[in-house]
Amino acid sequence: DGGITQSPKYLFRKEGQNVTLSCEQNLNHDAMYWYRQDPGQGLRLIYYSQIVNDFQKGDIAEGYSVSREKKESFPLTVTSAQKNPTAFYLCASSVRQRSNTEAFFGQGTRLTVV
Amino acid sequence: KQEVTQIPAALSVPEGENLVLNCSFTDSAIYNLQWFRQDPGKGLTSLLLIQSSQREQTSGRLNASLDKSSGRSTLYIAASQPGDSATYLCAVGSWETSGSRLTFGEGTQLTVNP
Repeated sequence: DGGITQSPKYLFRKEGQNVTLSCEQNLNHDAMYWYRQDPGQGLRLIYYSQIVNDFQKGDIAEGYSVSREKKESFPLTVTSAQKNPTAFYLCASSVRQRSNTEAFFGQGTRLTVV
Repeated sequence: KQEVTQIPAALSVPEGENLVLNCSFTDSAIYNLQWFRQDPGKGLTSLLLIQSSQREQTSGRLNASLDKSSGRSTLYIAASQPGDSATYLCAVGSWETSGSRLTFGEGTQLTVNP
């Protein structure tokens, strides 16, 4: 089945810890994205990547880091510098063309600080 | 900076009603607009994608229109069913020097009562 897989589904972090959220896609998409969703709000862009070994900051990149070593993988690390990390995190991917850039999403990871 | 607004924030209707969800955006330089559905605690499911050159798209009981010049889109749901209960998100795609990105509205939470 083609799609986007996020893991884990639930993640608990202690204060001061770094945690890494996984996102893998087998859609052969060049572009990948990380969004954060807080209760009752829309999605805010954290980081995005158009090609391997390249990525850009979105609107709320502080306290987060990413890597794009492989086309199919775009892991997100939530660092201890992120003061309010409890949220629902969504990964997406799309082709990198102006005429057809429909985005597809994973099922999300819910991160809770304990 | 692109801003997307969805009205209403919440909507409760009896089963069988036809309804309209609204989405507006501030910058008309978009390449597409997507409507998504989100069930509680889940990822996003793409419902309809409208390219910037198109006026509308239809899928089953759903019809989405786009008026790029006025910065508006509507999602029309015919003969609503309890299974349509979910949050509906509108997202506009635009290009920046660093690549493509989606900007989301905050969503409309729809409840269809049996």
